[in-house]
Amino acid sequence: KAGVTQTPRYLIKTRGQQVTLSCSPISGHRSVSWYQQTPGQGLQFLFEYFSETQRNKGNFPGRFSGRQFSNSRSEMNVSTLELGDSALYLCASSSGRGQGARNIQYFGAGTRLSVL
Amino acid sequence: AQSVTQLDSQVPVFEEAPVELRCNYSSSVSVYLFWYVQYPNQGLQLLLKYLSGSTLVESINGFEAEFNKSQTSFHLRKPSVHISDTAEYFCAVSALGGSQGNLIFGKGTKLSVKP
Repeated sequence: KAGVTQTPRYLIKTRGQQVTLSCSPISGHRSVSWYQQTPGQGLQFLFEYFSETQRNKGNFPGRFSGRQFSNSRSEMNVSTLELGDSALYLCASSSGRGQGARNIQYFGAGTRLSVL
Repeated sequence: AQSVTQLDSQVPVFEEAPVELRCNYSSSVSVYLFWYVQYPNQGLQLLLKYLSGSTLVESINGFEAEFNKSQTSFHLRKPSVHISDTAEYFCAVSALGGSQGNLIFGKGTKLSVKP
C-alpha cells in the first residue's frame, strides 16, 4: 500500500505570494490532517478534513486554508505569505472513523516551504 | 485541552548505552499516547503507541514505552542504542472520544548516538 504522498517536496516563494500544497492520503483513508513544523514552535496542528468537511481547526490565521476532494486528496493554501510561514508542512492521514487503532495517523515526508 | 512536555531537548549518548527519553502529559480526559521518530529531512514515522490494554508497549526495533497513568508519563526507553537511532523523537497525545485528527506534540528530543 502506498504511503502518504506530499507534493512538492520543496518550495521557494517570496513575501506576499500565495502557495498551494498537496497531499494524497493512504488508499481508503478519509481523514487528512495538516501540521506546521518550525524550530521555534515545534509541531502545530493546522486543520483536519474528513469526507470533504473541515472537522477540526487549530489556532492559525485565516490566511491558512484547506480543502478536501471527493477522492480524499487534500490541498492546503497559504495566502499573502510572510517570512514566518517558512516551515515544514506535514500531512497525515487516518481512517477517520471509530476509535483507537483505526485513527492512528500516518505522515508524509512533508513540503519544505521557504519564504524569502 | 491536552499538553505534552518532553523534558530533554537533547540527549547525547554513546553507542550500546541505555537511553530514556522522558514524556509527561496533561489532560482532563483519557488519551491515546504515541511516540514518533523523525530522521533528517523526513516526515514522522510512528514508533509505538498506547491505545489500551498492557501499559508496556514495544516497537520492532527494540524501543519500549510504559504508560503510567498516576504520573501522567509515557517515557521511551531502549536498553542499547545504535548509531542509526540518531534522530528526533516526538511524544504525542490525542483525546479519546474526539475526532483524533488533532495530535498534540511535545517539542521533541534530539537523540545523538556517538561511537
